[in-house]
Amino acid sequence: DAGITQSPRHKVTETGTPVTLRCHQTENHRYMYWYRQDPGHGLRLIHYSYGVKDTDKGEVSDGYSVSRSKTEDFLLTLESATSSQTSVYFCAIGEAAGGNYGYTFGSGTRLTVV
Amino acid sequence: KNEVEQSPQNLTAQEGEFITINCSYSVGISALHWLQQHPGGGIVSLFMLSSGKKKHGRLIATINIQEKHSSLHITASHPRDSAVYICAVSASGSRLTFGEGTQLTVNP
Repeated sequence: DAGITQSPRHKVTETGTPVTLRCHQTENHRYMYWYRQDPGHGLRLIHYSYGVKDTDKGEVSDGYSVSRSKTEDFLLTLESATSSQTSVYFCAIGEAAGGNYGYTFGSGTRLTVV
Repeated sequence: KNEVEQSPQNLTAQEGEFITINCSYSVGISALHWLQQHPGGGIVSLFMLSSGKKKHGRLIATINIQEKHSSLHITASHPRDSAVYICAVSASGSRLTFGEGTQLTVNP
């Protein structure tokens, strides 16, 4: 979507290898999120960031780490990929809008761990 | 029990039909969001509601805060409306909690 891009769009990797997914925004939004989407579970929050170097865990954070060294970039790292991390990963950005928060989602990264 | 429940899970309609997708939630919220996801595609925000009703083209979203319930209506449905529709709520702060989505198929 305009203002937010994810890379790569598709990736196949082997079990045990490290993988980094990138989320880049041009909207200067404060909040950034990483979700995974799996059948039967909907979207689940992995990690989120509320500013540069400020991050926190979501509901499914085990096996994942994140970094945000610049406002525009939020990186998700799988230190040692496992087959259970095969999923579609979505990044989102959020900003306060009229007392609530408006969100924009990226196009997703389909990750397959073999 | 999930904090956000959608119904139905799957919905098949004929072109032109009026469609309703429901969302119930169990927590106090500051806003409710309706999202759309086409097959293989990204997620698009349709509406953000904190009260009342919003309309955009053939889409109408309503919310009843007292009953903790929201509906998404599609009038004069079209095959291009076929997608997964996702309800999400923000309780406090900026985090969203999502329903599992409703798969809508509109046949010509």
